[in-house]
Amino acid sequence: DTAVSQTPKYLVTQMGNDKSIKCEQNLGHDTMYWYKQDSKKFLKIMFSYNNKELIINETVPNRFSPKSPDKAHLNLHINSLELGDSAVYFCASSQTGTGVSPLHFGNGTRLTVT
Amino acid sequence: DQQVKQNSPSLSVQEGRISILNCDYTNSMFDYFLWYKKYPAEGPTFLISISSIKDKNEDGRFTVFLNKSAKHLSLHIVPSQPGDSAVYFCAASETGANNLFFGTGTRLTVIP
Repeated sequence: DTAVSQTPKYLVTQMGNDKSIKCEQNLGHDTMYWYKQDSKKFLKIMFSYNNKELIINETVPNRFSPKSPDKAHLNLHINSLELGDSAVYFCASSQTGTGVSPLHFGNGTRLTVT
Repeated sequence: DQQVKQNSPSLSVQEGRISILNCDYTNSMFDYFLWYKKYPAEGPTFLISISSIKDKNEDGRFTVFLNKSAKHLSLHIVPSQPGDSAVYFCAASETGANNLFFGTGTRLTVIP
């Protein structure tokens, strides 16, 4: 009965590879997000989707592409992985997309690029 | 440019005492503030929030205070318990925006 679940929990891969992280929420929320937590523990938004429409894309390289087959899923595809992509990626969802509703986070995916 | 700052990376408190975690922000347009708690290998979980129309919000042992003129908020935990040991993130948002800005967190250790 996990509210926001993301897989895999750990992902180790080599530079240049393409990888995906999956996220699903069963809360019936309208908006889903991807956040990146870098080595300095700074949590920063990458994308959000509201009813299948991209709302925010915060200066993220176009090697990163979110894909939302329906409002319960928001997957993250990363092409041509680089060392600097190593981080923890968190999926989240909220009831509204206005920023006044708390986000519910998944447990994160620790990506290590070697 | 970090719009939300938590200047204390860590805090240790004796069990039963008060824990005070501080947060400062720079964007005067922020009008909604949240605190999240994070355990290792888990995602942040929502703890408590406050709107800019209030200066205090209380939920059990947790109270958040907002000082808009100083662009400062704080989280008080009374009494502190060992299970409160975690990293606490402050976050802020502007109504109508679709983004939460997070601080870098404060690691709270409650000593039994």
